[in-house]
Amino acid sequence: AQSVSQHNHHVILSEAASLELGCNYSYGGTVNLFWYVQYPGQHLQLLLKYFSGDPLVKGIKGFEAEFIKSKFSFNLRKPSVQWSDTAEYFCAVIRGSQGNLIFGKGTKLSVKP
Amino acid sequence: GAVVSQHPSRVICKSGTSVKIECRSLDFQATTMFWYRQFPKQSLMLMATSNEGSKATYEQGVEKDKFLINHASLTLSTLTVTSAHPEDSSFYICSARVPVAGVGTDTQYFGPGTRLTVL
Repeated sequence: AQSVSQHNHHVILSEAASLELGCNYSYGGTVNLFWYVQYPGQHLQLLLKYFSGDPLVKGIKGFEAEFIKSKFSFNLRKPSVQWSDTAEYFCAVIRGSQGNLIFGKGTKLSVKP
Repeated sequence: GAVVSQHPSRVICKSGTSVKIECRSLDFQATTMFWYRQFPKQSLMLMATSNEGSKATYEQGVEKDKFLINHASLTLSTLTVTSAHPEDSSFYICSARVPVAGVGTDTQYFGPGTRLTVL
């Protein structure tokens, strides 16, 4: 069965630190990958997505992710985090032709001011 | 981006009653909507796929008679939790798929969720 793994449950950083959140998926075929963010008390918002082409994807708010096919990974990065980046981050993959998203368990990011 | 709304945002009901949750796409038409359930500190679990004008497709383990889904129009899908019990208490989230012209796949936009508490 297809699955998405996020290895870090809770990450705590100071402002200006660099961020990398891991995401691995288990599917050998063509994949479409997403990172969603859920700020406290708010709904899920799309950060970035990868369908095809350049494996380095730029998203909103300075986030980027790199698709490495050989490693089945789609890690999220940001060079310098801010307190406002405190949120929960979900990696997700689309399966099949109906566009059903499969989510990882999420990583909670806490940024200390 | 596309906006998806849900109503109500919170609902508290007595055990045995039914609760209806609405999901609307506000500025686009969605032929497909999805219903998820999120338990505390866990990921979103897909419950069912709602297709306009046809029966919903339920994920394995989801009771279709308990979680009734109706996608009556291109902008509205409803989830009715029938004969609710305390174990149905959860956070229910819908999403609507926006087709991307010329691309082989698409993007989902999420509603704000509905917190259901069954006493």
